[in-house]
Amino acid sequence: AQKVTQAQTEISVVEKEDVTLDCVYETRDTTYYLFWYKQPPSGELVFLIRRNSFDEQNEISGRYSWNFQKSTSSFNFTITASQVVDSAVYFCALSEASNYQLIWGAGTKLIIKP
Amino acid sequence: EAGVAQSPRYKIIEKRQSVAFWCNPISGHATLYWYQQILGQGPKLLIQFQNNGVVDDSQLPKDRFSAERLKGVDSTLKIQPAKLEDSAVYLCASSLGTSFTPDTQYFGPGTRLTVL
Repeated sequence: AQKVTQAQTEISVVEKEDVTLDCVYETRDTTYYLFWYKQPPSGELVFLIRRNSFDEQNEISGRYSWNFQKSTSSFNFTITASQVVDSAVYFCALSEASNYQLIWGAGTKLIIKP
Repeated sequence: EAGVAQSPRYKIIEKRQSVAFWCNPISGHATLYWYQQILGQGPKLLIQFQNNGVVDDSQLPKDRFSAERLKGVDSTLKIQPAKLEDSAVYLCASSLGTSFTPDTQYFGPGTRLTVL
């Protein structure tokens, strides 16, 4: 069965520290898609990245980077030099090609202290 | 490009009352989703439309929840009568819906419902 696990319920770091949010997924499909969304206190879910199962290249976007490891079924998200504005709940999600419905992790609450 | 619009942003009602939420998706997006998000949890899909047809409503409590997307554009989600456990954020999302791969969903700001 499909499943997404975000084991870190809450992470608190001081501004400018690097922080990694873990995401582990389970699927039997060979074709699937992984997503990260950010949910700031305002409540809107903001799309960050989409990655398909055939593209294992790591992605970097500014201070954000993603490490996709099929061997460990993980799709981890790192914020470099964190800022207070990064404080939010971050969700990892999985979508299989056989069933497009998004399977969501429970989310990780990230607190960046000034 | 305008994002997904939702209204109202906040609603407080008493149990057994009815309430309706409105969503206008991104222009050109064929697929529209309604999610319920309870505090501290990930979103739960209630219903998915492709144009004006229902694709998936398996998790919609049909005894009290209803949704429509009559002209294939904007949509309304209704709860009647509301229960205390319906207190949540109701999120609307849309996606292009034209590809054969899972689309990226774009979300609106949500409606925070409190049932007293």
